[in-house]
Parts: sequence; structure tokens; C-alpha cells
Amino acid sequence: DTAVSQTPKYLVTQMGNDKSIKCEQNLGHDTMYWYKQDSKKFLKIMFSYNNKELIINETVPNRFSPKSPDKAHLNLHINSLELGDSAVYFCASSQETGSPYFGPGTRLTVT
Amino acid sequence: AQSVTQLDSQVPVFEEAPVELRCNYSSSVSVYLFWYVQYPNQGLQLLLKYLSGSTLVKGINGFEAEFNKSQTSFHLRKPSVHISDTAEYFCAVRGGGAQKLVFGQGTRLTINP
Repeated sequence: DTAVSQTPKYLVTQMGNDKSIKCEQNLGHDTMYWYKQDSKKFLKIMFSYNNKELIINETVPNRFSPKSPDKAHLNLHINSLELGDSAVYFCASSQETGSPYFGPGTRLTVT
Repeated sequence: AQSVTQLDSQVPVFEEAPVELRCNYSSSVSVYLFWYVQYPNQGLQLLLKYLSGSTLVKGINGFEAEFNKSQTSFHLRKPSVHISDTAEYFCAVRGGGAQKLVFGQGTRLTINP
């Protein structure tokens, strides 16, 4: 069973479109995250939710909107996509301050 | 605020040779330290972590790391590498009660036959 799953794995879209990435974890964790990995492999946190409540929002453009319908899901919606949004987006989950488990990533390409 | 510096962006080694990947951190509070591995086109997998206790931490795949508070380092080592260890390795720090991990820039480990 996959611990942290993301869909889709690949996403190719044009500038200006709106897209969503979904994440689900079956580990029973109470905290979920979105990280962005750029073309130089640098990883940076974007958001963190604890028990469906937003606790970290790291200077991300408001075109990015996370939504957590329940503790097991954290989705990422992106409006008006730009070329610079091209990256790999990783979802992760952890129990409180434990080690995050990462999903397989979603490679977003904006053309 | 915490920060992490991985001193080598690329490390090439021959198969069965030992390897050390260097990581230094800065933090004004007590820290938790992690090493993750990312194989090509995959997500990150936890190799090992230091939370407290013994400063020598053993992880999966024969890797170990030593927490050195005086030198603010957490270097990763393996006595004999295999081709399958070719991957990107990330050091990360979490400070105090913070929820987020701060990652280093990554070190690409390339194993040559």
C-alpha cells in the first residue's frame, strides 16, 4: 500500500491555466506538507497543515491555494499558471514533529 | 532560523570505496537532523535521523551519520558504496518545535565502476 500518494504524476499545461494536484496519506498522520523542488533540485516548503488547519505558509504567491478536506488529504490548486511554476511538487506527511514521509512527486511543466 | 549547507554539490567515488557527504547546520535552538535520499525520478526516502541520545546514528542501506554539536555538523558516511547508491542526498534540519524541515542544496553521489 502506498503511504503518501499524489495525482497526477505528470502534468503538462499552458500558461494561464488553472490546475490541481491531489495528495492522500494512509499513515494516520496529523500533519501534511507541500514542498517545491526546482530545476536545481532545491527543496523548499510551501505549506503545512495540522489537523486541517494551515500552520505554515511560506511566502507563496496567492495563486497557490492549499485545501485540506480532512486529515488524510491535502490538495494544491494553482491559478493562472506561469512558466516559473514548472517544478516537481512533493506532498509529505508526518505525525506531529516526526520525520516526514514524502510522496512520489508531481512534475509540473508549464509551456 | 535554521539553515543547512551541504559542502559538496557532487561527489564521484569508485564502487566499494568509502564515502562521506558533508553537512553543516546553523540553529539557535536544539535541532533534529535528517538525511534523505532521492533516486532518479522518485520521491525522498528517509535514510536516518538524529533526535537525541547517541551521536552516532545508523540508517538504512549501510549508511551512518555522526552528530557533532561543537562543529555543528552531521556528516553522512558509508564504508563501501555500491552502484545502486547513485542518487541525490539531502541533509535537513528541524529546529525546536518547528514543523518544517529546512533542506540543504543536495549532494549528487555518483558511483563509478
